[in-house]
Amino acid sequence: DAKTTQPNSMESNEEEPVHLPCNHSTISGTDYIHWYRQLPSQGPEYVIHGLTSNVNNRMASLAIAEDRKSSTLILHRATLRDAAVYYCILRDPLGDSNYQLIWGAGTKLIIKP
Amino acid sequence: DTAVSQTPKYLVTQMGNDKSIKCEQNLGHDTMYWYKQDSKKFLKIMFSYNNKELIINETVPNRFSPKSPDKAHLNLHINSLELGDSAVYFCASSPGKKALSYNEQFFGPGTRLTVL
Repeated sequence: DAKTTQPNSMESNEEEPVHLPCNHSTISGTDYIHWYRQLPSQGPEYVIHGLTSNVNNRMASLAIAEDRKSSTLILHRATLRDAAVYYCILRDPLGDSNYQLIWGAGTKLIIKP
Repeated sequence: DTAVSQTPKYLVTQMGNDKSIKCEQNLGHDTMYWYKQDSKKFLKIMFSYNNKELIINETVPNRFSPKSPDKAHLNLHINSLELGDSAVYFCASSPGKKALSYNEQFFGPGTRLTVL
């Protein structure tokens, strides 16, 4: 089962910032937090990942709570092309340095023009 | 250039048939994966594989088998197709010789399988 909880859906206006929350209260000290998104009829696309510190890349920013039990994906200026399902996932250890991602239902982000 | 490609994009077939889905990646990655996304949109890992190690999700029926002719290809063969196999199947790849050791995965566009 997925170890994260996210709202089913969120709406935002175009060209405004979007904050997508994720709770992961059972996170362990070595679990990385991953975000992927899936645009309609496409494969998932990596967005960002982090462990403890906040992270920035060209797509988004990831803000991680100090206790690591929650995180927020920040899209600084949403466009219509950002409409997608956003997944917050913890990397799950399988042993022998192998990992897997246990995917939940994600948050469907709706962008209003 | 497409990083991870899959063929076919759509596959419609009858129950009981055997079919294969092909996947190729040109990223030079060592590890490849197959995922199944069901009608409720949940994405579930089926296999992760590099040329030395196959990690199988125990919930996957043994009718499903990954076949890798070389490091850049991981095909999914399905025997005796059932109605419940209808889903979208995604191939993915990642760097490193262990599954998700470098965190980022690259996904293909998906193959929509419909079993009648």
